Order: sequence, then structure tokens, then C-alpha cells
Amino acid sequence: DSGVTQTPKHLITATGQRVTLRCSPRSGDLSVYWYQQSLDQGLQFLIQYYNGEERAKGNILERFSAQQFPDLHSELNLSSLELGDSALYFCASSVARDPWRSGYTFGSGTRLTVV
Amino acid sequence: AQSVTQLGSHVSVSEGALVLLRCNYSSSVPPYLFWYVQYPNQGLQLLLKYTTGATLVKGINGFEAEFKKSETSFHLTKPSAHMSDAAEYFCAVSERGYSTLTFGKGTMLLVSP
Repeated sequence: DSGVTQTPKHLITATGQRVTLRCSPRSGDLSVYWYQQSLDQGLQFLIQYYNGEERAKGNILERFSAQQFPDLHSELNLSSLELGDSALYFCASSVARDPWRSGYTFGSGTRLTVV
Repeated sequence: AQSVTQLGSHVSVSEGALVLLRCNYSSSVPPYLFWYVQYPNQGLQLLLKYTTGATLVKGINGFEAEFKKSETSFHLTKPSAHMSDAAEYFCAVSERGYSTLTFGKGTMLLVSP
């Protein structure tokens, strides 16, 4: 158990729907990162929050949004889902604002299937 | 801009053989380098990292990696493969002041008896 908790583990939904993925970071970690993992694109950085504020943005679609709450858990909202959004979504956390020294701790991911 | 290239999407070895997974990076400043392992249906787990100091870094499960600045490489090795090493391995790079890690596309290690 890495200490980073992601729910749900699996999600199957239809095209056009909206889903919310949840992440609780490791105790004491202030940064939360969201990544999308697919066979063709590999691990793609989506967005980072640090202590409630958006810190960095990657290849995140406008249909996707995220936030980090005062208790530091984070939610990734995916709307108007398309078949191509099917992927593994990982949350990672780190204690620092910048992970260059320590790296991340990853959760076990949420597998999203859009049908 | 930083980037990572992992040569070979799949590497096959026999149990007991040397494991060598290749990683080359591109970075305009001294890099911070990481190897992660992903077992089936699990998240990524940190194997080892290079920040500063000794260029030969030892990690968990008998893996090690050597930072070679002149070759911009950070190859991962293990003297003797075990069946339990079968997994996907990711190399990642970051720099001071960067807020994220940039990952390579991964190398699947297959270990045969």
C-alpha cells in the first residue's frame, strides 16, 4: 500500500457521460498530480495541485477539470466522455511543490472504460 | 525541454540472465533521474533515483543504474533476472524548478524460465 488512495478502481460508463475520479494523497503530501496512461500515448501529465492551488497544467482537455480540497484530497472530473478517453488514470503525490528531488508516490489507478 | 527515450518497448531475458534496460534523456541542465516499475494492475513504484553525488545508484530488488552525463544515459541493470522481475519499467527525468516528472514510454521486461 503506497498510501495514495484512488477510487473507484474500475469505472465503466457510456459516451457523453460525466465521471469523477477521487484521490487521497499520502499523509503529509501537499502536491497531487494526475496522469493518464494509455497504450498509444504512454504516461501523460494532466495537472498538478499544490496545497489547494493549481500549480502546473499538461495535456489536459477542456472537457476535463480538477480541484484539490482543503483536506488535500483531489478530484478529476471528466465530462462529455468519448471512446478515446478510455485509459488508466493515476494520481500521484509528493510532499514538496516540486518533485525533482523526491519523485512521486503513485496510487493504484482508476481504469476508465467508455463504451 | 526535457524528454526521455527508452530503447525497446519489450526486452526478453531468461531467468538468471543479466537485465539491461536502456534510458537516454534530454535536459538542458543537470537532471534528476528516476526508474519506476509497474506490475500488472498496479500503480508505479519507485525503484531508484539519482539526484546528486554518486553516479551509481542502487535501488530495491537488486536493481541499479548508472548516470553517465557524457552519454546522457541512465540505464537500469540487474545481474540476475528473476521471474518476479517481469513488469513494465519507466524512466523519468526532472530538473530543479520543474514541477513535474517526464516519463519515457516504458519497457516491458519479459522473463522466461
